[in-house]
Amino acid sequence: GQQVMQIPQYQHVQEGEDFTTYCNSSTTLSNIQWYKQRPGGHPVFLIQLVKSGEVKKQKRLTFQFGEAKKNSSLHITATQTTDVGTYFCAANSGTYKYIFGTGTRLKVLA
Amino acid sequence: ETGVTQSPTHLIKTRGQQVTLRCSSQSGHNTVSWYQQALGQGPQFIFQYYREEENGRGNFPPRFSGLQFPNYSSELNVNALELDDSALYLCASSLEQGASYGYTFGSGTRLTVV
Repeated sequence: GQQVMQIPQYQHVQEGEDFTTYCNSSTTLSNIQWYKQRPGGHPVFLIQLVKSGEVKKQKRLTFQFGEAKKNSSLHITATQTTDVGTYFCAANSGTYKYIFGTGTRLKVLA
Repeated sequence: ETGVTQSPTHLIKTRGQQVTLRCSSQSGHNTVSWYQQALGQGPQFIFQYYREEENGRGNFPPRFSGLQFPNYSSELNVNALELDDSALYLCASSLEQGASYGYTFGSGTRLTVV
């Protein structure tokens, strides 16, 4: 079945450093979503990407969808302590089922 | 607008028992999906309900079943509980089946099977 892997699994950064997480699917995707889950919390929707090569920005967050629509990335510029949490991609291959990635846990050291 | 509410927040059950988890979807959302999240893992899709019918299912056995009601609220039932069923169960509602505006998740029910 479809697999969605994220790397790295963990990332510790100093506050102010940049952070990137990568999401790779074994199949071509219809669209991809990104979620953030704070420790002890629930996933919160960040964004959806649909078009090949699409780039979207939300303040310090930049999201990209690969040209082949099989991978995506989330980049955070100048991390802050409020960015702490686990970032998940959720991949859709044209059905109503979103497959969540393995997640990248971000820790920001003040 | 109200978000997604789930009950109970925590539950302890014995292996072999049955459990029912409840979810009220966000106002205006007609689709409910259920996810299982084991500790340190990503959410795993269980199934989705739209117009009171299951319209998509993940790799979960038939002892996982659900219902959606006319007011779009939903229940997740798990029979013959196993130790591996211990997890956070998340309910997620969306405006439509494709969730193109994203899921709104509830805070989850933490189920422990002993």
